[in-house]
Amino acid sequence: EVQLVESGGGLVQPGGSLRLSCAASGFTFSSYWMHWVRQVPGKGLEWVSHISDDGSRTNYADSVGGRFTISRDNAKNTLYLQMNSLRAEDTAVYYCARDLGGWNDFWGQGTLVTVSS
Amino acid sequence: QSVVTQSPSASGTPGQRVTISCSGSSSNIGTKYVSWYQQLPGTAPKLLVYRTNQRPSGVPDRFSGSKSGTSASLAISGLRSEDEGDYYCAAWDDSLSGIVFGTGTKVTVL
Repeated sequence: EVQLVESGGGLVQPGGSLRLSCAASGFTFSSYWMHWVRQVPGKGLEWVSHISDDGSRTNYADSVGGRFTISRDNAKNTLYLQMNSLRAEDTAVYYCARDLGGWNDFWGQGTLVTVSS
Repeated sequence: QSVVTQSPSASGTPGQRVTISCSGSSSNIGTKYVSWYQQLPGTAPKLLVYRTNQRPSGVPDRFSGSKSGTSASLAISGLRSEDEGDYYCAAWDDSLSGIVFGTGTKVTVL
C-alpha cells in the first residue's frame, strides 16, 4: 500500500526556518518525481515545488523560489522541503504527493505550518 | 492567484447530474492532460480523473472528465451525499514549469 507521511510542521516566527519531511513506503520511491503542494486553511491548492526521481532537477513556484529548497534521499525513501525566511503568507497545510506524469496519484495527509509571532 | 479558473460552487439533489467547468490557457489545459481532484472535508485531495478522461482504479464511473480547447469539465452523475466537497482541476503549465491548480469548486448536495 502506497503511503506518504509528512512531518515537521509547527509554529515558527516570521523570518524563521523549518524543514518538512515526507516518508514514503509501499512503492519504489526512487522511480518517481515528487511534489510539494500547499493549502492555506479554507483556500485552494497551490503547487510549491517538484523534484525529479534522481533529484537532479527541481523547480519552484515564484512565491517560494529562493527561500525554499526541495530535496530527497532515495536511500531513506524520504522527501524534504527546507523552508527559510518564512512569511505569514506561507502559513498552510503542506502536502507531499507522488507524480505519475503531470498529475498526483497519491497524497500524504499533510502537515500544518503556522508562521506567526 | 491561479491562472486556471473554476466556478466557485455547484449544487444538485441526489441522483442529479452536476457539471464543473475549468478554464485555462494554451500553456496548460489547451495543450496538456487535465486531472481532477476531490477533497472531502478535513481530508487530503484524492485523484479522481487523470489524462483528461481516465479514472484510477476504485473511482466510480459516475465521475467523467472531458476537454475542449482551453476548457475542461468534470461531470458527476447520480449525485450522492458523499460527493459533497471541493473539486479541483489541474494541469501541467509550460510557463510555470509546474502544476497549476484551478481555483476550486464547492459541490453541495441539496
